[in-house]
Amino acid sequence: DIVMTQTPLSSPVTLGQPASISCRSSQSLVHNDGNTYLSWLQQRPGQPPRLLIYKISNRFSGVPDRFSGSGAGTDFTLKISRVEAEDVGVYYCMQATQFLYTFGQGTKLEIK
Amino acid sequence: QVQVVESGGGVVQPGRSLRLSCAASGFSFSSYGMHWIRQAPGKGLEWVAIISYDGINKYYADSVKGRFTISRDNSKNTLYLQMNSLRAEDTAVYYCAKDSNNWGADYWGQGTLVTVSS
Repeated sequence: DIVMTQTPLSSPVTLGQPASISCRSSQSLVHNDGNTYLSWLQQRPGQPPRLLIYKISNRFSGVPDRFSGSGAGTDFTLKISRVEAEDVGVYYCMQATQFLYTFGQGTKLEIK
Repeated sequence: QVQVVESGGGVVQPGRSLRLSCAASGFSFSSYGMHWIRQAPGKGLEWVAIISYDGINKYYADSVKGRFTISRDNSKNTLYLQMNSLRAEDTAVYYCAKDSNNWGADYWGQGTLVTVSS
């Protein structure tokens, strides 16, 4: 199974400042078809997860452009350009390149 | 709009069975794969199973293989998860999610809580 490791596990951020979360996979996430199936999910307190980013850097429908994703191979990053209060929650990376799909441990984003 | 709504959760004794349902609307259900993903209380996400759009291909996490069965009824736009021989460690919120047919799960339901306890 592919192991996904996120850092940091907790990230206190000042409103209006940027935030960054890293995700590393135990093996390359490049699929045989040439795509890399790495997604980012947001889970606000008491809510189900919500897809933010798919295939490394594509924002899902309705996701604000302050969220961006980057990376390649085994190293990926989610960036929030200016953190807003509604961004508080836990962020997960997820790989869908290989069954079984696996998630990172989650990074808790909180406001300082 | 795309909507998936889980039901069937509850409290069940260890070793017993439970069946979860997921009613889908707002998209062509029979054209998309579907997932079950769970989250133990205060823990992270664990992918459980996936079924192809036509119900033919199914994959399971090792932790549930042989005990859980994913199925679907495309005539009713409904996904199921039959859970047998339940254990305390199966206690979790179970989410149903639509597959994008490309990059993984995109739309998630609100979840249904399963508690395995005597």
